[in-house]
Amino acid sequence: QKEVEQNSGPLSVPEGAIASLNCTYSDRGSQSFFWYRQYSGKSPELIMSIYSNGDKEDGRFTAQLNKASQYVSLLIRDSQPSDSATYLCAVNPTNRLAFGKGNQVVVIP
Amino acid sequence: KAGVTQTPRYLIKTRGQQVTLSCSPISGHRSVSWYQQTPGQGLQFLFEYFSETQRNKGNFPGRFSGRQFSNSRSEMNVSTLELGDSALYLCASTGPGTNTEAFFGQGTRLTVV
Repeated sequence: QKEVEQNSGPLSVPEGAIASLNCTYSDRGSQSFFWYRQYSGKSPELIMSIYSNGDKEDGRFTAQLNKASQYVSLLIRDSQPSDSATYLCAVNPTNRLAFGKGNQVVVIP
Repeated sequence: KAGVTQTPRYLIKTRGQQVTLSCSPISGHRSVSWYQQTPGQGLQFLFEYFSETQRNKGNFPGRFSGRQFSNSRSEMNVSTLELGDSALYLCASTGPGTNTEAFFGQGTRLTVV
């Protein structure tokens, strides 16, 4: 079982729509969860961190965490062409980050 | 506040050579971790240093090594380069306390020919 799984393929969303990304993790002891955005040819940029069950909102982004189900999600509201990127889910088991393979999001104008 | 600085940005090396990459963390950050990113494997953890001590190590061969200096700057070294070592090498720094947010540098793109 992979530590962090992001199974969805590329996601195409119309401009202004909601993009929904999901991630599951295997280590129940994990306490910190992150979403990074990575543009092609660039390094990952931290966009959300979440540490407790429930929702956390920051601008157009909402992260959701369910530790019982070992599930993290990211919602991007009012998607913009500038949101077109790969989104990486990351979990911090112990002094390191374990990453999923990422989901490519394409926002269509 | 300056971000994480990695040097050099690009490197081309020949098989069998060795390479040293450098990372300067955000001021005040004492934890530095290294990752390798390839299209096939994604982002994989190499090692993590805190106060000059390696606290965690990923599943990479011994050709990959690192160290951290007293000013928190870190270096990683890859010896006897192989074609498969071609990748984007990323350094991340994490601040003190319980906040475990990690911030990445621009990366070093290594090409082995």
